[in-house]
Amino acid sequence: DIVMTQSPDSLAVSLGERATINCKSSQSVLHRSNNKNYLAWYQQKPGQPPKLLIYGASTRESGVPDRFSGSGSGTDFTLTISSLQAEDVAVYYCQQYYTLYTFGQGTKLEIK
Amino acid sequence: QVQLVQSGAEVKKPGASVKVSCKASGYTFTSYYMHWVRQAPGQGLEWMGVINPSGGRTTYAQKFQGRVTMTTDTSTSTVYMELSSLRSEDTAVYYCARGGSGRLAAAGVWGQGTLVTVSS
Repeated sequence: DIVMTQSPDSLAVSLGERATINCKSSQSVLHRSNNKNYLAWYQQKPGQPPKLLIYGASTRESGVPDRFSGSGSGTDFTLTISSLQAEDVAVYYCQQYYTLYTFGQGTKLEIK
Repeated sequence: QVQLVQSGAEVKKPGASVKVSCKASGYTFTSYYMHWVRQAPGQGLEWMGVINPSGGRTTYAQKFQGRVTMTTDTSTSTVYMELSSLRSEDTAVYYCARGGSGRLAAAGVWGQGTLVTVSS
């Protein structure tokens, strides 16, 4: 099974500042045949189901604000929130869908 | 609009079974894989398995092999997840989540979740 490891486990950032969350997979999730990374990012707020933010490592889902961006390839990925807003307080999960599904342990993002 | 509506909360005794439903609407039911993901209180997301509503083929996480059964009813666009031999550690919110038209796709639409509580 592919293991997904996020860092840090929690993060406190001031409003308007940049937030960065990292995700590492135990094996590459880059499909050589189409050069696509099978890596997604989700946001989960208390009492709500997860919401897809990013797929293919860097493609924003429709309706997701452009302050959210994803980068990386192979085994190392990053979710960046360029200017933190109050509504971005949530837990963020990375997920590989290269082989079935595996989620990272989550990163709790708070306001400093 | 695309929507997944799950059945209501359940309370079960250890050793019992639970069957959670997920009714889809707003899209062609048989065109998208459906996953089940659970979340224990205060914990992260755990993938349980996936079903292809077109044909009913399933793949289950090894952890749940032998205890979980996923089925579909195409006449009502409903997917079911049954978990047997329940134990206290199965207390969690269970989500259905629509994958892609192909096997390898993220989950763009989620149900609201069903809380299953296992307690004697």
